[in-house]
Amino acid sequence: EAGVTQFPSHSVIEKGQTVTLRCDPISGHDNLYWYRRVMGKEIKFLLHFVKESKQDESGMPNNRFLAERTGGTYSTLKVQPAELEDSGVYFCASSLGLSTQYFGPGTRLTVL
Amino acid sequence: EDQVTQSPEALRLQEGESSSLNCSYTVSGLRGLFWYRQDPGKGPEFLFTLYSAGEEKEKERLKATLTKKESFLHITAPKPEDSATYLCAVQGTSGTYKYIFGTGTRLKVLA
Repeated sequence: EAGVTQFPSHSVIEKGQTVTLRCDPISGHDNLYWYRRVMGKEIKFLLHFVKESKQDESGMPNNRFLAERTGGTYSTLKVQPAELEDSGVYFCASSLGLSTQYFGPGTRLTVL
Repeated sequence: EDQVTQSPEALRLQEGESSSLNCSYTVSGLRGLFWYRQDPGKGPEFLFTLYSAGEEKEKERLKATLTKKESFLHITAPKPEDSATYLCAVQGTSGTYKYIFGTGTRLKVLA
């Protein structure tokens, strides 16, 4: 069974540009989560989808971040415009129920 | 505020030298406590889920235990391939299913 996949693995952009991260959850997992780790800090929650609906977006830092999950399958996280403090590793996770989450390999975002 | 603290930050062990990692937590109500292993450049890999005080789970050289305030990850006779960062996360009962993570323990096992 394929795990959670994320694309790209690494992105380097200039401040002010737009970046879109993609996450494909484990097949059949209705729950999809986005997390982020900035340098030296712990992994922090961004938001939670149940199918195509946003269940909890309390961790989204500001309105420069837009997450979508059209059709309840893959999800995208867009950052527009990117700022220096957005640099970090963005993880996606999925779960069948509401307990154990399975994580993808992450996307390392560098904003210059 | 929900919080997770892991100790030590880093740990070096000789191969075969058993030890324990600590995860202390503060949460309004515990839905579950989770242990993950993370290798450099990779995502967290699931190890264990614990739900209630007194519960224990084992997998190969690893054993996780849970009390009302903390969890321990015991590593028995570690091998160099056990070297990784071990992450602890909690999920509360406050209506959200997000994980609160600790900063992790970096384990290095020397041959």
